[in-house]
Amino acid sequence: NAGVTQTPKFQVLKTGQSMTLQCAQDMNHEYMSWYRQDPGMGLRLIHYSVGAGITDQGEVPNGYNVSRSTTEDFPLRLLSAAPSQTSVYFCASSYSRTGGSYGYTFGSGTRLTVV
Amino acid sequence: GDSVTQMEGPVTLSEEAFLTINCTYTATGYPSLFWYVQYPGEGLQLLLKATKADDKGSNKGFEATYRKETTSFHLEKGSVQVSDSAVYFCALGPNTNAGKSTFGDGTTLTVKP
Repeated sequence: NAGVTQTPKFQVLKTGQSMTLQCAQDMNHEYMSWYRQDPGMGLRLIHYSVGAGITDQGEVPNGYNVSRSTTEDFPLRLLSAAPSQTSVYFCASSYSRTGGSYGYTFGSGTRLTVV
Repeated sequence: GDSVTQMEGPVTLSEEAFLTINCTYTATGYPSLFWYVQYPGEGLQLLLKATKADDKGSNKGFEATYRKETTSFHLEKGSVQVSDSAVYFCALGPNTNAGKSTFGDGTTLTVKP
């Protein structure tokens, strides 16, 4: 089925470990974003991309890196995991069309625990 | 910068009650507006959208009208069901001026039988 695929669904890391959260979409969407969701804090934007080769920081980028080498993939790298990065991470993608917007398609999320 | 303010929750209603969740925004230009719904343990799903002033988005009995004069996009449903229990998010964009979206904090709705 077409959509946004995130892997893994669950992950436990030890403090200081690094890992990559994978995100892939097969809808040829230009826009892709990473959000984290914490209780009582809604969704916070980590990084986003408007196309292959172009990325930018959101409101909480520290401790995370991204790259966008293809339209389909937008991996999120945790450089040195900290307990404060325990969260649910969502990847989302959207079309870009002049004169309107189509909203995001979200992945099902990765639940990350850092111990 | 852009921002979205949603009415604080949680909201608890009885089945068949009328629902309103308020949403106001601050933005430059003319953003597209969205409501998303998140069921327990799942990702967000697009519920409805409006791309210009006075547009009404609707889906699954939910409606919201883009009010430019009051910078609002309130979500309404005439008769809620237990299955509508979820978290609802109001959002701006993304649009061609900015590849990112701005979300409200979410409003948790619980519908009791």
